[in-house]
Amino acid sequence: AQSVTQPDIHITVSEGASLELRCNYSYGATPYLFWYVQSPGQGLQLLLKYFSGDTLVQGIKGFEAEFKRSQSSFNLRKPSVHWSDAAEYFCAVGAQGGKLIFGQGTELSVKP
Amino acid sequence: DVKVTQSSRYLVKRTGEKVFLECVQDMDHENMFWYRQDPGLGLRLIYFSYDVKMKEKGDIPEGYSVSREKKERFSLILESASTNQTSMYLCASNLLRGYEQYFGPGTRLTVT
Repeated sequence: AQSVTQPDIHITVSEGASLELRCNYSYGATPYLFWYVQSPGQGLQLLLKYFSGDTLVQGIKGFEAEFKRSQSSFNLRKPSVHWSDAAEYFCAVGAQGGKLIFGQGTELSVKP
Repeated sequence: DVKVTQSSRYLVKRTGEKVFLECVQDMDHENMFWYRQDPGLGLRLIYFSYDVKMKEKGDIPEGYSVSREKKERFSLILESASTNQTSMYLCASNLLRGYEQYFGPGTRLTVT
């Protein structure tokens, strides 16, 4: 069965520092992978997605993610974090019928 | 832009009440989804619908039912609300063979 694991429940980084959020998935075939962001009290917004092709994908707000098949990972990165990036981040894998399987989420706090 | 709207941002109900959560999307999407979000558990799928009057149970359907009489509208029903249904409820939609889901802003339901 498909599954997604985000090992870090909560991460704190200083403003201006780099960020990497980890995501590992379990899926038999080539996965469709997503990162979503949720600001406090809001719905989820798509940051980026991977379907095929270049394994380094660029998203909105300066985020990028790299698909590594050998490690079953799809980690999210940003070179310099801004205070407005404080939010909860969800990794997801596509499942049958257009469904998504979500990870547990990683809450990001940003120190001034 | 795709727009998914939910009827209420905040809702307070009493134990035993019947509760209706409404979701409307304006992009002619075939699929619609209801999720429940709780801290540390990520998003869990309650029900989804791939066509008018068609529905399938998700991972946690107990205590919930759904209705889809029109393509653009998907309702979640709590027949007899209980305190353990206090949660954030998120609606989403996508195309029949698409994976990227578009989310509404969420309804925070409190059952007292």
